[in-house]
Amino acid sequence: EAGVTQSPTHLIKTRGQQATLRCSPISGHTSVYWYQQALGLGLQFLLWYDEGEERNRGNFPPRFSGRQFPNYSSELNVNALELEDSALYLCASSFVGLSYEQYFGPGTRLTVT
Amino acid sequence: GENVEQHPSTLSVQEGDSAVIKCTYSDSASNYFPWYKQELGKRPQLIIDIRSNVGEKKDQRIAVTLNKTAKHFSLHITETQPEDSAVYFCAAGNDYKLSFGAGTTVTVRA
Repeated sequence: EAGVTQSPTHLIKTRGQQATLRCSPISGHTSVYWYQQALGLGLQFLLWYDEGEERNRGNFPPRFSGRQFPNYSSELNVNALELEDSALYLCASSFVGLSYEQYFGPGTRLTVT
Repeated sequence: GENVEQHPSTLSVQEGDSAVIKCTYSDSASNYFPWYKQELGKRPQLIIDIRSNVGEKKDQRIAVTLNKTAKHFSLHITETQPEDSAVYFCAAGNDYKLSFGAGTTVTVRA
C-alpha cells in the first residue's frame, strides 16, 4: 500500500509570492489534514478536508487556503508569503469513521527569502 | 480550542534506562490521545494511542497512561535503545482534529 505522498520536496519562494503544495492521501482515505511544523513549535493544525469540503481550520490567516479534489488529493495555497511562513508543511490522511489514526506524508520544506 | 503542553522539551537517558514524557490538555471533550515519533528527516509515525475509555495501554517497551480527571497523559519507554532517539509528539483531540504538543527530543546515550 502506497503511503501519503507530497510534492514538491523543497520549495523556495520570495516574500510576497504564492506557494502551492500538493498531497495525495492513502488510497481509500477521504480526509486530508495540513500541518505547519516550524522549528521548535511542534505541529500546528492548518486545515482539514473531508469528502471535498473544508471541515475545520486552525488559527491561521485567510491567506492559507486549500482545496480537495474529487480523487481526495489536496492542495495547500499560501498567498502573500512572509518570512515566518518558512517551515515544513506536513500532510496527513485518515478515513474518518474507521480509525482515528492520521498517516503523515514526508512533508514539503518551504523556504521564504 | 484544545491546548496541549508537553514536558520535558529535551530528555537524555542512558541506554537501558526508562524515559517518561508527560502531556497535559485543556479540553475535557478530547477523547483520543496518540503519540508520534519523528526521527531526523523523517515523517511522524504513530507509535501508540489511547482512547478516553482506557486508562493504560502497553505495546512491548512502550506504554501510555491517561488520567482524564487531571487531564494528563504520559508516555513511558522502558529499556531504552539507541533507535529510540527521536522527537516524540503527544496529541489530544477527537476523530477529526488533533492538537499537538511542542515535542520532546529524546537522546539515548550508549
